[in-house]
Amino acid sequence: SQKIEQNPEALNIQEGKTATLTCNYTNYSPAYLQWYRQDPGRGPVFLLLIRENEKEKRKERLKVTFDTTLKQSLFHITASQPADSATYLCALDPNQAGTALIFGKGTTLSVSS
Amino acid sequence: KAGVTQTPRYLIKTRGQQVTLSCSPISGHRSVSWYQQTPGQGLQFLFEYFSETQRNKGNFPGRFSGRQFSNSRSEMNVSTLELGDSALYLCASSGTGKGNTEAFFGQGTRLTVV
Repeated sequence: SQKIEQNPEALNIQEGKTATLTCNYTNYSPAYLQWYRQDPGRGPVFLLLIRENEKEKRKERLKVTFDTTLKQSLFHITASQPADSATYLCALDPNQAGTALIFGKGTTLSVSS
Repeated sequence: KAGVTQTPRYLIKTRGQQVTLSCSPISGHRSVSWYQQTPGQGLQFLFEYFSETQRNKGNFPGRFSGRQFSNSRSEMNVSTLELGDSALYLCASSGTGKGNTEAFFGQGTRLTVV
């Protein structure tokens, strides 16, 4: 079965630094992988999608890389701010349609000023 | 346009009872997926409905069921509630066809079973 693992479970960084989150998966191909942000008590909000033929995707201060050989995606937030504090989830998208997503357990990021 | 709406936001039920949760997707979206979120297991996929038909199903017992109406609104039902069913239940809607890959989530229904 498909498995997805996120590391670390929790990450504490100083404002202005770069946060790097890891997502590893098994038994999944072809690969669409999505990243979401979730704030306490709220539903996840879509951030970025990366496809298997894309090595890197950027959106403002966010950058996602994808290595299908290693079966790994890295999620970076540069120049982090306290407002970036949240749980970040990666998800496999087996139907390539944003449905029936398989989520990791998330990384909870805390950015201190 | 209006987002995904879930009702009710909070619910307290007793073991053995059943519960029905509702989800109204974004206008024009025909796919609705349901998820259960708990601290221990994270976000887990329950099932997906598309055009009133269950299209995908996760690994949950038969006590969890759902349906979708012609206006794309969806309901999920949990029968014979157990303490372990306490969770945040989220639904998400998506547009049709490949390329519409973003899932839009509602705020969830927090179910507590006592």
